[in-house]
Parts: sequence; structure tokens; C-alpha cells
Amino acid sequence: AQKVTQAQTEISVVEKEDVTLDCVYETRDTTYYLFWYKQPPSGELVFLIRRNSFDEQNEISGRYSWNFQKSTSSFNFTITASQVVDSAVYFCALTLTGGGNKLTFGTGTQLKVEL
Amino acid sequence: EAQVTQNPRYLITVTGKKLTVTCSQNMNHEYMSWYRQDPGLGLRQIYYSMNVEVTDKGDVPEGYKVSRKEKRNFPLILESPSPNQTSLYFCASGYREPSYNEQFFGPGTRLTVL
Repeated sequence: AQKVTQAQTEISVVEKEDVTLDCVYETRDTTYYLFWYKQPPSGELVFLIRRNSFDEQNEISGRYSWNFQKSTSSFNFTITASQVVDSAVYFCALTLTGGGNKLTFGTGTQLKVEL
Repeated sequence: EAQVTQNPRYLITVTGKKLTVTCSQNMNHEYMSWYRQDPGLGLRQIYYSMNVEVTDKGDVPEGYKVSRKEKRNFPLILESPSPNQTSLYFCASGYREPSYNEQFFGPGTRLTVL
């Protein structure tokens, strides 16, 4: 069975600091997809990124970047120069191919960015 | 606009009073599912459907029912709600294989069972 661990329950930073959210996953499958979702205080889930297991290239999107390392089964998310609007709960998730599209979520990391 | 809609968005009810949370998507997705979100537990899958008339249990199906009579709709039914079903519920839709696209989530339904 697959599992996603987000060991950081809550992180507080001051605006403009960089922050990294950790995600460690477990699966025996060789083909899988990893995701990050953002849940702002309003409650909806906002898709941020999808990465398949064969693509280990890091990705950057504006202030967001993702570091995927299969050797350590990690898919970490970094926000550069954090802003108050980044305050949210962030979820890492995993899904396998061949048998549905079930997402296995981590427990989430609450990020608080203060002025 | 491509979207997943859920109704109601908020609901307060009492133990034992049957309720239905509706979910509808306009993207012609085969796959639909329900998740519940609880503090410290993340989101957990309740039920899913691979296509019309095909449904199966997720990780936490006890106390819930679903049906998939039409491709676009996937209602979640609580026949006899109990306080431990107080939670934030999300409906999601997508293709059967994650390689095609990410899943789309509805706005959530916050349910309180007294």
C-alpha cells in the first residue's frame, strides 16, 4: 500500500523568507504520479503541480519550485520569498497508474506567513 | 467553465436524518470520487466510481452510500448520519488514468452532525 508523509504539521515564517515543505512517499510501484495541492483558508483545493515518476527534473514556477528525488522518495516544495497570501495548508499526494485515479494524501502542512 | 459543483456547501443536521450531498461535473470524466478531510488525517477516499454503474469502496466507506446513474453525477448518501461523520467532504473527478490530467475538486461541503 502507498503512503505519503508530511512530517511538518505547522510552519511559521516571516514574509520574504524562503520555506521548504517536505513530502516523503512510499510505494512499490515504479510508475506513479505525485501532486501538490494548496488549501487556502477559504477551503477549496487548488492544484499546484503533477509530476510522474519518470521525470526527476526539478520544476520552477515563479516563486514555487519542486525537488523530486526518487533516491530518497521525496518530493519537496519550496516557496521563495514567501508572502502572506501563501498562508494555507499544503497537501502532497500520490496516485498509481493502472487501476483508477485514487489519491493518497499526506496529512498536510499548515504554513503561516506573517508580516 | 470546467468545474465540479457540490451542494450544499454547508449543512448542519441531526443524528439519523438521511441526507444527500450532490456532486456534478461538466468535463465528461469517467472517474469520480468522494473524500473526507479531518484534522490531522488529511483527505481519505470514501468511495469512487470508474464509470456509470461502476462504484467501489475507498478507504473509509462505512456509513456512506453512492450511486452513479449518470456520468456527470455522483451523489454521496448518508442514510443515518452520526457525529463521527462531521467532516469536510470533497468530490473529485478526472480521467481513469492519472497520466491524462490531474483530478478536479469541488469546493467542498462542510457537514456537521449533532
